[in-house]
Amino acid sequence: DTGVSQDPRHKITKRGQNVTFRCDPISEHNRLYWYRQTLGQGPEFLTYFQNEAQLEKSRLLSDRFSAERPKGSFSTLEIQRTEQGDSAMYLCASSWAGVNEQFFGPGTRLTVL
Amino acid sequence: GEDVEQSLFLSVREGDSSVINCTYTDSSSTYLYWYKQEPGAGLQLLTYIFSNMDMKQDQRLTVLLNKKDKHLSLRIADTQTGDSAIYFCAETPTGANNLFFGTGTRLTVIP
Repeated sequence: DTGVSQDPRHKITKRGQNVTFRCDPISEHNRLYWYRQTLGQGPEFLTYFQNEAQLEKSRLLSDRFSAERPKGSFSTLEIQRTEQGDSAMYLCASSWAGVNEQFFGPGTRLTVL
Repeated sequence: GEDVEQSLFLSVREGDSSVINCTYTDSSSTYLYWYKQEPGAGLQLLTYIFSNMDMKQDQRLTVLLNKKDKHLSLRIADTQTGDSAIYFCAETPTGANNLFFGTGTRLTVIP
């Protein structure tokens, strides 16, 4: 399968715990994006990478959130000291730079109790 | 700022045509997209249109763009039960690299 994959698909955690999600983009796509989708809403942009460089961060990405893409392939999104308001679907997408089609993974659904 | 609006719900009978509408505010948008999301799943890119086009057709899908009114529509011909999903309109303004999404339209196809 050459699509975007995300792990885990579901995560339940208690408030105050740290969580980390992983995204594996389509092979050789040099751009990788993170979005957050809350119930009944469209996805909202969080951040994106071109290769290993994080080029843009949304104001939604508070200092409790950090994303990395150390080797320009997979990416991780960590949320520290989770809050109930962090409960959402976290979506990853990838594309080629300069190409407008972003391909999405299945998402990681986070529930913070 | 960017604002993309869609009606929340649409119901159609199987075999009829569905028309899902979207309005956007950023006149500098270069590309406009339609994505489909089935329950519990990620987003599937259906089609997109460049801002200098008025229409794009791809099998059962027809996209119409009215730049003057900043209105985008997606027509699905011969709607099937498998088309039941949430459809998102999205835009990429000039100079931006990310997508701005609408709230989505939940399409229900009645057998």
